[in-house]
Amino acid sequence: EVQLVESGGDLVQPGGSLRLSCAASGFLVNTNFMSWVRQAPGKGPEWVSIIYRDGKKTFYADSVKGRFTISRDNSKNTLYLQMNSLRPEDTAIYYCTHDGEDGWDPFDVWGQGTKVIVSS
Amino acid sequence: QAVLTQPSSLSASPGASASLTCTLRSGLNVGSYTMYWFQQKSGSLPQYLLWYKSDSEKQQGSGVPSRFSGSKDVSANAGILLISGLQSEDEGDYYCLIWHSDAWVFGGGTKLTVL
Repeated sequence: EVQLVESGGDLVQPGGSLRLSCAASGFLVNTNFMSWVRQAPGKGPEWVSIIYRDGKKTFYADSVKGRFTISRDNSKNTLYLQMNSLRPEDTAIYYCTHDGEDGWDPFDVWGQGTKVIVSS
Repeated sequence: QAVLTQPSSLSASPGASASLTCTLRSGLNVGSYTMYWFQQKSGSLPQYLLWYKSDSEKQQGSGVPSRFSGSKDVSANAGILLISGLQSEDEGDYYCLIWHSDAWVFGGGTKLTVL
């Protein structure tokens, strides 16, 4: 069974940094596409970033480009999201998602999410 | 202008049909895109329903009832999620999604009320 467990969310001041982790089980992160998606309170989901199966291609939403970095550790079967220069508008629950082996099953499986609050 | 625009709300009666639209920004051609649809019920995560590109290229999500179907209105440059035989359990938020310019893009969502 495919499972995703996020961690690392916290309360952080504007301008601060956080690293989110997503431990995967039931599949290998290096044979699948994976994304981060966030959802702010009362808002719709917003895609944040994707890492391709080859681990070399990554893409970002314009709202986070240059501030966030997606990566993975194949030996730990874990996905990461490094978030720098955080802004209040980054406040949301962050979810990692399994997007399938070819990337065309977006957000097929979701983790339970980890909450990020950016506030002074 | 947003890439994908959805009406913020829609109401329909039980047993009726509801047509949820997702309009692409001017300059983009709906015929070129595969459109995904997700349902989100209150307090739950978004769940994949189906994707539609054409009548010969489409996929229903596992366990998704056949009364949920996708189509396109090329003249309106829009994707459509049709829900027939509405049930109270269909209430929730519905989001469209496309892959555009190396990014997944969600529509703003339509809140469907069944009353």
